Amino acid sequence: GAVVSQHPSWVICKSGTSVKIECRSLDFQATTMFWYRQFPKQSLMLMATSNEGSKATYEQGVEKDKFLINHASLTLSTLTVTSAHPEDSSFYICSASGGDTEAFFGQGTRLTVV
Amino acid sequence: AQTVTQSQPEMSVQEAETVTLSCTYDTSESDYYLFWYKQPPSRQMILVIRQEAYKQQNATENRFSVNFQKAAKSFSLKISDSQLGDAAMYFCAYRSERLGRDDKIIFGKGTRLHILP
Repeated sequence: GAVVSQHPSWVICKSGTSVKIECRSLDFQATTMFWYRQFPKQSLMLMATSNEGSKATYEQGVEKDKFLINHASLTLSTLTVTSAHPEDSSFYICSASGGDTEAFFGQGTRLTVV
Repeated sequence: AQTVTQSQPEMSVQEAETVTLSCTYDTSESDYYLFWYKQPPSRQMILVIRQEAYKQQNATENRFSVNFQKAAKSFSLKISDSQLGDAAMYFCAYRSERLGRDDKIIFGKGTRLHILP
């Protein structure tokens, strides 16, 4: 299958700072990228959907000013957690779709805010 | 809105035995895709099997097969000859056939599968 690379795998940041997570499709053009959040022992919760060149569509309850998503190219989407707080600590996963039936997932990023 | 329900939070099976994970879904659409994903302790999401709703034949991938009942909106996963490496969280998922903003994947809550040696 296609490869999606997510970076970093884990990050620790201080409360009040911002953190950027990158999601890259390495061998295909990702017309749509999805960002998920996963709490321990729970399912993936969709945060937002982004299409290349347009604004992201956020799910209900997700603060778009806190979770900034940029999908500037067909191979790169970024999620920036602004002014992070301990409650933002979580596992974040991206997935990318080239328009066919399957979406491919990144390895995930474990964010810890101290 | 579409929903995916997995009613078994945890299951256990003896190594080499067969286990079936249940999944039901709700949708008003006629064309869609269903998936089973595996999430091992590494937390990397791995696609196990995929089923197109328009296909009557159940999908099969080696030891993994599904029982797709479209009218009943049921999509169970059967794992034959269970192996220790099958231990993971399994998610049932739904995706609309429509491309674009509606093609997000909706996940069930997951079933944690334990393999007993």
